Amino acid sequence: EIVLTQSPATLSLSPGERATLSCRASQSVTNSVAWYQQRPGQAPRLLIYETSNRATGIPARFSGSGSGTDFTLTISSLEPEDFAVYYCQLRDNWPMYTFGQGTKLEI
Amino acid sequence: VQLVQSGAEVKKPGESLRISCKGSGYKFTSYWIGWVRQMPGKGLEWMGIIFPGDSDPKYSPSLQGQVTISADKSITTAYLQWGSLRASDTAMYYCVRRAVGWNGYYFDHWGQGTLVTVSS
Repeated sequence: EIVLTQSPATLSLSPGERATLSCRASQSVTNSVAWYQQRPGQAPRLLIYETSNRATGIPARFSGSGSGTDFTLTISSLEPEDFAVYYCQLRDNWPMYTFGQGTKLEI
Repeated sequence: VQLVQSGAEVKKPGESLRISCKGSGYKFTSYWIGWVRQMPGKGLEWMGIIFPGDSDPKYSPSLQGQVTISADKSITTAYLQWGSLRASDTAMYYCVRRAVGWNGYYFDHWGQGTLVTVSS
């Protein structure tokens, strides 16, 4: 079973700053990673799929990268609405799906 | 695309429950539908998934036997069911549509969530 470890658990930044969120897999993966954003009181929404593709309607300040065991979500210049919890996810051996434990991005 | 879930539930331990997720705006039988649990103040946990085209559910090993996932393609609705609830089942439950990329799988649409509270 693949374990996804996200770091840091909490990231404190200010609007306008750059955010870098990490997601590390316990073993090298061939499948791509997805990222989700969950604002307080809302359902999660897809941000990034296939490691680096932005979902429909997601602003260009969000970008994803990585391969093997290390994946990164970058927000180039934080807007007030970006302060939320972010989760990475991949599909493990069929039919398992795994989420990271989340990174809380706070002001 | 929309996934619309049934409303919040308050139940007692030992009671049974079925919550629903109605899909619309796409071909329901072409996409897997999954369920994701979020316990209070915690992260996301994948529970299981079903292909409505043949109603063959798959479960997380940690939850196998504790819940039942089903689907009725005639009314484009998926279900998550408990035979005997426990206090530890208190959580928000999301249904999700699974999409497939060229080398990955992800959940491109989420329901609004159903809050289940189990308390005596």
